[in-house]
Amino acid sequence: EAQVTQNPRYLITVTGKKLTVTCSQNMNHEYMSWYRQDPGLGLRQIYYSMNVEVTDKGDVPEGYKVSRKEKRNFPLILESPSPNQTSLYFCASAGGGRGTDTQYFGPGTRLTVL
Amino acid sequence: QQQVKQSPQSLIVQKGGISIINCAYENTAFDYFPWYQQFPGKGPALLIAIRPDVSEKKEGRFTISFNKSAKQFSLHIMDSQPGDSATYFCAASPSYNTDKLIFGTGTRLQVFP
Repeated sequence: EAQVTQNPRYLITVTGKKLTVTCSQNMNHEYMSWYRQDPGLGLRQIYYSMNVEVTDKGDVPEGYKVSRKEKRNFPLILESPSPNQTSLYFCASAGGGRGTDTQYFGPGTRLTVL
Repeated sequence: QQQVKQSPQSLIVQKGGISIINCAYENTAFDYFPWYQQFPGKGPALLIAIRPDVSEKKEGRFTISFNKSAKQFSLHIMDSQPGDSATYFCAASPSYNTDKLIFGTGTRLQVFP
């Protein structure tokens, strides 16, 4: 089944404890992106990647890192999480290498930072 | 910062009625306008999209109306059904960076029988 998977689905952590949220897609898509969803703010793009080893900042990149060493994987790294990073995170992928191609979203990761 | 303003925040419609969600943008360089549908506990999924070379696009019960001069676009759901109950997001992408997608704040639609 073609899909985008995220792990973990739920995570509660404490301020300053480094964490990684994994994202993997099995559709051989070139484009991948991370978003955070907050009430009243909608979805905001954190980082995106047009292909392996090519990444760029979205609208809210502060406090996050990403890497794209393999086409299928695009992990989101929070090196020193803070409570304002408590949010619902979505990974997405698109086949044509651009954000304007249909983006397929993962199921989401709900992160709470205490 | 580039913005896409979406309204209303929530919408209650009776079964069979028309649901209308509106979005407005500021940046005239936006040239791709998708709508995403999100059910509770799920990720968003593309519903329908339009480019500014047309003023309307229809797919089944879903229609996007686009007004380039007013910098507005809207989603119309005809014959709304309880299964349409979801959160809807409009979005826009600038022509100079097709890798960026800027979303509206979302509209929670509830369709009652």
